[in-house]
Amino acid sequence: AQRVTQPEKLLSVFKGAPVELKCNYSYSGSPELFWYVQYSRQRLQLLLRHISRESIKGFTADLNKGETSFHLKKPFAQEEDSAMYYCALLTGANSKLTFGKGITLSVRP
Amino acid sequence: ETGVTQSPTHLIKTRGQQVTLRCSSQSGHNTVSWYQQALGQGPQFIFQYYREEENGRGNFPPRFSGLQFPNYSSELNVNALELDDSALYLCASSRDTSGSYNEQFFGPGTRLTVL
Repeated sequence: AQRVTQPEKLLSVFKGAPVELKCNYSYSGSPELFWYVQYSRQRLQLLLRHISRESIKGFTADLNKGETSFHLKKPFAQEEDSAMYYCALLTGANSKLTFGKGITLSVRP
Repeated sequence: ETGVTQSPTHLIKTRGQQVTLRCSSQSGHNTVSWYQQALGQGPQFIFQYYREEENGRGNFPPRFSGLQFPNYSSELNVNALELDDSALYLCASSRDTSGSYNEQFFGPGTRLTVL
């Protein structure tokens, strides 16, 4: 069965510090992975997907099939990055998303 | 373009009751997925509706059921409510489920409390 693990619940950093939010997955098929973000009082929204290989708001994530990981990184955190981040794995023809438990990123001034 | 809307915002029920949650999909979207998000957890897939038919189901009992209407809006029904059903229920719509993945746009959720 598919599973997404986000091992940490909270990451607190100072503004300008590097950020790495960890995500590991378990899936027998070809994985398609996403990071979703939820800012305070806003709805869940897509941040980036591994297939697009984009950098969104300075964030990047590389799929490492050998380590079954999809860590989210940003070299210099900003206060506006403070939010809840969820890693998600797409499985099945019906676009079912399996989410991790999420991590709260807190960026202090 | 109108985003995904859900009603009601909050709901309190007692054990054994039945509840109906509603979702209006984003304009141009024909697929609706429902997720349950318990406190401190990530969203968990309940089921998906595509063109008024159930198109996949997660690990939820049959007392969780749904409908999709011709205008692509959707309902989630839960019978015989249990305390563990207390959660945020999220609806997400997408353009199409055939072929490659289409981004799912989430609604604000309905907070259900079962006493």
